[in-house]
Amino acid sequence: DAGITQSPRHKVTETGTPVTLRCHQTENHRYMYWYRQDPGHGLRLIHYSYGVKDTDKGEVSDGYSVSRSKTEDFLLTLESATSSQTSVYFCAISPDPAGGNSIYFGEGSWLTVV
Amino acid sequence: SQELEQSPQSLIVQEGKNLTINCTSSKTLYGLYWYKQKYGEGLIFLMMLQKGGEEKSHEKITAKLDEKKQQSSLHITASQPSHAGIYLCGADIVANKLVFGAGTILRVKS
Repeated sequence: DAGITQSPRHKVTETGTPVTLRCHQTENHRYMYWYRQDPGHGLRLIHYSYGVKDTDKGEVSDGYSVSRSKTEDFLLTLESATSSQTSVYFCAISPDPAGGNSIYFGEGSWLTVV
Repeated sequence: SQELEQSPQSLIVQEGKNLTINCTSSKTLYGLYWYKQKYGEGLIFLMMLQKGGEEKSHEKITAKLDEKKQQSSLHITASQPSHAGIYLCGADIVANKLVFGAGTILRVKS
């Protein structure tokens, strides 16, 4: 199994509070991704990174920010959590997705905003 | 993602029957991935297609990428209850930006 861990795995937080999810990899892969999964929407890309300090927005980036200060960690921050951000969040890593390489997913982080 | 359309959205089949799930894009697909997911669990990698016309099989699941690299199909032969779950296609459409379809929910009746 690929060395990718997400933390926390489960969290309940109150509306308006900041939340940070962490994705940690031991594979030294260049690309890292954050997705959210909701019923009927599949996986929607929030932000992704193509190197240290190199990030870009996905299709649902509003309300989220990311940081990647070192290769192994990709942090997803909800500055002020809202109920619409209740979801399951998945991190993924890849050495080069366009080059026929596999994409590895974390186990997911279940976030509930009350 | 609106860039990847999956059909059907859901599917109920009798055990033993064959079925097909489609994944269509308006853009050229550079790397097409198929994943399976059990509800509440992580994603299981099934296969990855890269070349137009490519076809791969694993056990009773076959995936194809058409010649123009804009559509992929996932075919399951003689479905079993263990095939039930959510099937997701994902693709590298623009510069390593990986997007996914909305998923197809498969239920297999015994």
